[in-house]
Amino acid sequence: QKEVEQDPGPLSVPEGAIVSLNCTYSNSAFQYFMWYRQYSRKGPELLMYTYSSGNKEDGRFTAQVDKSSKYISLFIRDSQPSDSATYLCAMNRNTGFQKLVFGTGTRLLVSP
Amino acid sequence: DGGITQSPKYLFRKEGQNVTLSCEQNLNHDAMYWYRQDPGQGLRLIYYSQIVNDFQKGDIAEGYSVSREKKESFPLTVTSAQKNPTAFYLCASSIGLAGGRGPYNEQFFGPGTRLTVL
Repeated sequence: QKEVEQDPGPLSVPEGAIVSLNCTYSNSAFQYFMWYRQYSRKGPELLMYTYSSGNKEDGRFTAQVDKSSKYISLFIRDSQPSDSATYLCAMNRNTGFQKLVFGTGTRLLVSP
Repeated sequence: DGGITQSPKYLFRKEGQNVTLSCEQNLNHDAMYWYRQDPGQGLRLIYYSQIVNDFQKGDIAEGYSVSREKKESFPLTVTSAQKNPTAFYLCASSIGLAGGRGPYNEQFFGPGTRLTVL
């Protein structure tokens, strides 16, 4: 079983829809949770990170962590065609250097 | 502009050849990383370095080698011992342990090198 599970998609939605992207994990020691966005043939860029449980909002993006269920989510409101990309979740155990464990990524397609 | 550069963008290798992928950063980061990305596999860590002249194996180091002679540079050599080298290779850097100023040291990624074995 992989430490981090993520549905590869693709997830196709119309412009303006609310998008929900999710990851589950098995290691209860994970403390830091990140969402990266990766456009085709480019390197990933960090969208948001959260520590422990709770919500964090940044513009149209909301990251949610439920440690009791070992489940994290990224919500995108008012989705735009420019949001079409692969979204990778990642997590690690503590501060400083700890190896990031990545999900496989979910490909999102937002149609105009 | 600060950032990470990788070269070349595309690389073709014949069977049995060693090739070296370049990674340079001007972010003054101590830590650097190499990942491999395959369809359906996510990113897997090959090697990482927390400081100059020191590096550690990641999860899939077999068939790869690295050096860290300068803070700015972390080249990756894909040797002929790597059985399935065709992949997208990503280099990343972060502030590192000594300079961390927050609860999480973000990893910044380069644009990647796509390696194809002919």
